[in-house]
Amino acid sequence: DAKTTQPNSMESNEEEPVHLPCNHSTISGTDYIHWYRQLPSQGPEYVIHGLTSNVNNRMASLAIAEDRKSSTLILHRATLRDAAVYYCILRDAGGPAGGTSYGKLTFGQGTILTVHP
Amino acid sequence: DTEVTQTPKHLVMGMTNKKSLKCEQHMGHRAMYWYKQKAKKPPELMFVYSYEKLSINESVPSRFSPECPNSSLLNLHLHALQPEDSALYLCASSQAIRAALRGYTFGSGTRLTVV
Repeated sequence: DAKTTQPNSMESNEEEPVHLPCNHSTISGTDYIHWYRQLPSQGPEYVIHGLTSNVNNRMASLAIAEDRKSSTLILHRATLRDAAVYYCILRDAGGPAGGTSYGKLTFGQGTILTVHP
Repeated sequence: DTEVTQTPKHLVMGMTNKKSLKCEQHMGHRAMYWYKQKAKKPPELMFVYSYEKLSINESVPSRFSPECPNSSLLNLHLHALQPEDSALYLCASSQAIRAALRGYTFGSGTRLTVV
């Protein structure tokens, strides 16, 4: 899988928007951008994914740069429950079985998000 | 049912013990995974099962033995572990087809301590 780079940590205040960046300059044309988060003492939780266009769901928005070399996960109004480690992961979708990395979700170091009351 | 259930939540075992971790899902997912997570580190993939067959083994030592008896159940058999194997063991599942387009559902994990 292509490599992603994220800041080690970020801080936010409650009820403010949070923009979590991710750089993936070696992304290939068949790589999807996935975001997961892991709350303390829990397993990772799927947040959102996209290919080229910006995506929205009930949890967050994903903004993808036009050249796809970077993306930003946006939490519109941070709450204390959003404090977690956020992982940006590239998934290869090329090929009939979902790519050469089929079945392999490989986590990087992620960004530790702290939310202050 | 949209959950992956792992049991037990905590396990303490001696280095000569044999124990098993259990993972269950009823979402119809045909791909299931075991991950290992050490403290303050990201999860690391151990095994992938697709349609009840082992498809990926990430060079895991043989003291860890996975088993997928049916499409809903995944076990991890443990034998002769070392203290450095103490970690959070996470199970996950996903749709098997076009895996890269799917989200994974993770369980809350089993916290294993080897003494």
